[in-house]
Amino acid sequence: ETGVTQSPTHLIKTRGQQVTLRCSSQSGHNTVSWYQQALGQGPQFIFQYYREEENGRGNFPPRFSGLQFPNYSSELNVNALELDDSALYLCASSVDLNTIYFGEGSWLTVV
Amino acid sequence: SQKIEQNSEALNIQEGKTATLTCNYTNYSPAYLQWYRQDPGRGPVFLLLIRENEKEKRKERLKVTFDTTLKQSLFHITASQPADSATYLCALDPNTGGFKTIFGAGTRLFVKA
Repeated sequence: ETGVTQSPTHLIKTRGQQVTLRCSSQSGHNTVSWYQQALGQGPQFIFQYYREEENGRGNFPPRFSGLQFPNYSSELNVNALELDDSALYLCASSVDLNTIYFGEGSWLTVV
Repeated sequence: SQKIEQNSEALNIQEGKTATLTCNYTNYSPAYLQWYRQDPGRGPVFLLLIRENEKEKRKERLKVTFDTTLKQSLFHITASQPADSATYLCALDPNTGGFKTIFGAGTRLFVKA
C-alpha cells in the first residue's frame, strides 16, 4: 500500500478527445511527478509539480498539461488524443529522493 | 545521443544465487541513480538511491554500486528467491537543469525454485 491512488484505472477514449487523469498523493508529499509507460518500456517523465508549480518537464508536447492542488491531489490532462498516447500513466508522490511512491497507474487506450 | 541501457534479455537464475543487473548510461553526469522494482501491471516500487560520491549502497539483500568513470551501476540481489522475480528499472536525473528523471527499459529477472 503506497498511499498513492490513481483514477480511473482503465479508460478508453477516441482519437481527438481530451482526458483527465487524477492522482491522490500521500499527505505531506509536496512533489508529484507524472510518467507515461508504453508496454515493454520504462516510464517516460512527463512533468513534475512542487508546491503547485511545474518544476520540470520532459519531452512531451504542450497538449500534456497538469495541475497540483493544495490537498496533495493532482491531475494530468491530455488534449487532442492520438493513438500513440495509449499507455499506462503513472503518478509518483515524494518528499525527497529517497521517499518516492508510485500509484498503480491509469491504463489509457485511444481508439 | 543520451541514453540508459539495461540488459534487454531476461535474466534467469536459480534460487539462492546472486542476481546481478547492469545499468549503463552515456552522455550524462547524474548526481544520483535510483533502482526500482516493477511487477506486471503494477507501478514501480522504489528500492535504493545511490549518489555520485557513493561507491556502494546496501539494503538487506540488495547491493548497488555506482561507477561514474565507467558510467555504470550494478544491482545485486543476494540469496535470490522466486519472490524476487520482477522487472528492475534504473533511473537517473541527467543533471541538465530543472528536475527530470530518465528510466531505462528495465531487465526482467526470473528466479527459479
